[in-house]
Amino acid sequence: TQLLEQSPQFLSIQEGENLTVYCNSSSVFSSLQWYRQEPGEGPVLLVTVVTGGEVKKLKRLTFQFGDARKDSSLHITAAQPGDTGLYLCRGYGSSNTGKLIFGQGTTLQVKP
Amino acid sequence: DTAVSQTPKYLVTQMGNDKSIKCEQNLGHDTMYWYKQDSKKFLKIMFSYNNKELIINETVPNRFSPKSPDKAHLNLHINSLELGDSAVYFCASSTDLFTEQYFGPGTRLTVT
Repeated sequence: TQLLEQSPQFLSIQEGENLTVYCNSSSVFSSLQWYRQEPGEGPVLLVTVVTGGEVKKLKRLTFQFGDARKDSSLHITAAQPGDTGLYLCRGYGSSNTGKLIFGQGTTLQVKP
Repeated sequence: DTAVSQTPKYLVTQMGNDKSIKCEQNLGHDTMYWYKQDSKKFLKIMFSYNNKELIINETVPNRFSPKSPDKAHLNLHINSLELGDSAVYFCASSTDLFTEQYFGPGTRLTVT
């Protein structure tokens, strides 16, 4: 069974601080997605990373896929209250259900 | 226009009752899903349909029965509701298993 572990599970920071969220597995994934979920809504895709070592930037968000394609990170620079939400990673694995496994999520709270 | 819609938004019912949640997508996607998100925000796949055919059926009690009358609709019927069924249920759709998933707003089910 392929599992995705996210850390930290909860993060509360002040506006303007930087933070990094991690998504780790012992299994190799062909690609990995990051979603953000706001309270009362469904998750929304932020980015998909495919190539080992790939780095993608989305404004103040930087996503990296590990060289071995077993892990990924999300770095937010100068966090803003609007970044508050639940961040979920999802990896595409080799088994059928492995494609549909989400990490446990990281709840981020950015205080003004 | 709403891409993935679910009804109802909130559902409060007593143990032992039978209830249904409806989902519709207007994105022309071939694949639809049902997820359960528990109180710890863990998002777990329940079922996946592709062109009205069941392709993924996770370890879910037989009391849960999905039905797809056409590829734009995926409904979830739950028999003999139990307290542990209380959660937020999300419907989602995508072109296929590999691509971005679009989530509905969720249905918060409370069993008393």
